[in-house]
Amino acid sequence: GQQVMQIPQYQHVQEGEDFTTYCNSSTTLSNIQWYKQRPGGHPVFLIQLVKSGEVKKQKRLTFQFGEAKKNSSLHITATQTTDVGTYFCAGRDDYKLSFGAGTTVTVRA
Amino acid sequence: NAGVTQTPKFRILKIGQSMTLQCTQDMNHNYMYWYRQDPGMGLKLIYYSVGAGITDKGEVPNGYNVSRSTTEDFPLRLELAAPSQTSVYFCASSTGTSRYNEQFFGPGTRLTVL
Repeated sequence: GQQVMQIPQYQHVQEGEDFTTYCNSSTTLSNIQWYKQRPGGHPVFLIQLVKSGEVKKQKRLTFQFGEAKKNSSLHITATQTTDVGTYFCAGRDDYKLSFGAGTTVTVRA
Repeated sequence: NAGVTQTPKFRILKIGQSMTLQCTQDMNHNYMYWYRQDPGMGLKLIYYSVGAGITDKGEVPNGYNVSRSTTEDFPLRLELAAPSQTSVYFCASSTGTSRYNEQFFGPGTRLTVL
């Protein structure tokens, strides 16, 4: 199956700063999904990227799919306390997902 | 709509005991999934189902069994619980036909085996 790796595993951010989390695959992905899990909660779908080089924005979140479709990134600008949680990328293979280990984000006020 | 519901929320088992984790969805989704989440390890697929009467193994099926007799329900059975099965278990569902086929997750069951 697909192997998806995420870095960093932990991200400690000062409120108001920007950060980026990265997702890498050893194989070409047909598409990639991103999920967010708040502490003590369950994963919630954020977005799906399909096209090579695709960029999508959701308010302060910018998602990008690499040209070779083997990597993806999530960039958050002006981090807020509401951004706390774990962000997962997942390679989609038809109806199944292979999740990365996630990036856990904490925010210093 | 309640979405995906799971029971129980928490459970402590002794080694060798058995239990069934319940999962129900009211969105008429064809696809259902069971994952386990260990700290720092992401979500690992245990079993999945593409419709009533059809199930298949995921990445980590050993020690678990599933059944899918109805569209709504997808219970996960643990036989002879072991400490290695201490984890948070999530059930999820998806339509299989939407543009993104995103998965909707239940609130999870936190299981401890002692």
